[in-house]
Amino acid sequence: SQQGEEDPQALSIQEGENATMNCSYKTSINNLQWYRQNSGRGLVHLILIRSNEREKHSGRLRVTLDTSKKSSSLLITASRAADTASYFCATFSSNTGKLIFGQGTTLQVKP
Amino acid sequence: DVKVTQSSRYLVKRTGEKVFLECVQDMDHENMFWYRQDPGLGLRLIYFSYDVKMKEKGDIPEGYSVSREKKERFSLILESASTNQTSMYLCASSLIGSSGNTIYFGEGSWLTVV
Repeated sequence: SQQGEEDPQALSIQEGENATMNCSYKTSINNLQWYRQNSGRGLVHLILIRSNEREKHSGRLRVTLDTSKKSSSLLITASRAADTASYFCATFSSNTGKLIFGQGTTLQVKP
Repeated sequence: DVKVTQSSRYLVKRTGEKVFLECVQDMDHENMFWYRQDPGLGLRLIYFSYDVKMKEKGDIPEGYSVSREKKERFSLILESASTNQTSMYLCASSLIGSSGNTIYFGEGSWLTVV
């Protein structure tokens, strides 16, 4: 079962613009993580935000978490062509002990 | 840096063959996972293991089995490959913990069953 659902499924922007991706989930979580996947490669962890945190930054990445709305957003500022990839949110619940991934947002950054 | 190595990047197997996908991690992680990734379906958990010789079914274990004889190695076995098992398979590992730790992925194995 897929808990996280990303929105939009695909996003195309120009280099230098900001990219925002959203993730919604259904049940209570301990943390939410964002991963990046370049075409044909494995996933790479970007950032983890715990359920008691509201916002977290890492370089050009900003993640927010709203547990009342069961949603998160990933903002990539000043995007670069190298940011072109698929981005996945994943939710962890200690009830299940599993990390469950959404279906991802495909981001294309045009030079 | 954590390294998760999947021994085969690309495989082509015939229907009915027994297939082994091998995965090794070098960071002494307790947890290891096998996912498959298909377009439109995202990542789905097949099996995971939290200790040597221990295994738990994920969301789609049918048609698969696993083996964890050593802490660093987690093998996925397709007893009799079928065409609907054509997919990308991702191995991953993480530290044990109830708070949900970062998962580290291998580069993936593309399996085609003909």
